[in-house]
Amino acid sequence: QVQLVQSGTEVKKPGASVKVSCKASGYTFTNYDISWVRQAPGQGLEWMGWISVHSDNTKYAQKLQGRVIMTTDTSTSTAYMELRSLRSDDTAVYYCARVGSIMVQGVIRRGWFDPWGQGTLVTVSS
Amino acid sequence: EIVMTQSPATLSVSPGERATLSCRASQSVSSYLAWYQQKPGQAPRLLIYGASTRATGIPARFSGSGSGTEFTLTISSLQSEDFAVYYCQQYNNWPTWTFGQGTKVEIK
Repeated sequence: QVQLVQSGTEVKKPGASVKVSCKASGYTFTNYDISWVRQAPGQGLEWMGWISVHSDNTKYAQKLQGRVIMTTDTSTSTAYMELRSLRSDDTAVYYCARVGSIMVQGVIRRGWFDPWGQGTLVTVSS
Repeated sequence: EIVMTQSPATLSVSPGERATLSCRASQSVSSYLAWYQQKPGQAPRLLIYGASTRATGIPARFSGSGSGTEFTLTISSLQSEDFAVYYCQQYNNWPTWTFGQGTKVEIK
């Protein structure tokens, strides 16, 4: 079955970086894009960014521009999200998700997120 | 940025009753809208995409409707496993996406 398995819990100090991995299985990795979403404790879902696995094109949420880098390794079907200059308000569960797509009038549009990884807790604390 | 607003923030419903959740977009997103369910300690799960198409394995008691700026998720007869937080998400503006702030469906 289609599955995304993420790396484990991380504890970091302010100013450090974290790199979370997301290993895909059960489908052709290069046929789907990956997005990353985070959820601070007790809060809602915040979209962080998107990477086209096929082309390596990326788009990041404006508030994270300059601090986040998303990459993929097609040889291992793994996506990565690196967040730099960590702050206490970066404490959250980080999710990867496969991005669905549809053909609309001859154009491929990206769409919903399915499935999601199990989530990775990143705690930023001194 | 398209802002998604969900209402109410919390919905108290008895098992077996109908639940109606709303999602409003700050500008038209056509039918490019998805709904997710999230239970405590779990990742979100896709329920509905294209505003009204149920994802694989989603029970028929879940239905979505709407287009443009106004959308509704209806759970026809709430089961115990349906008490959770529900999020809407627009994907009209890809490659950027936005979520609503969520509606918590709790037991009355």
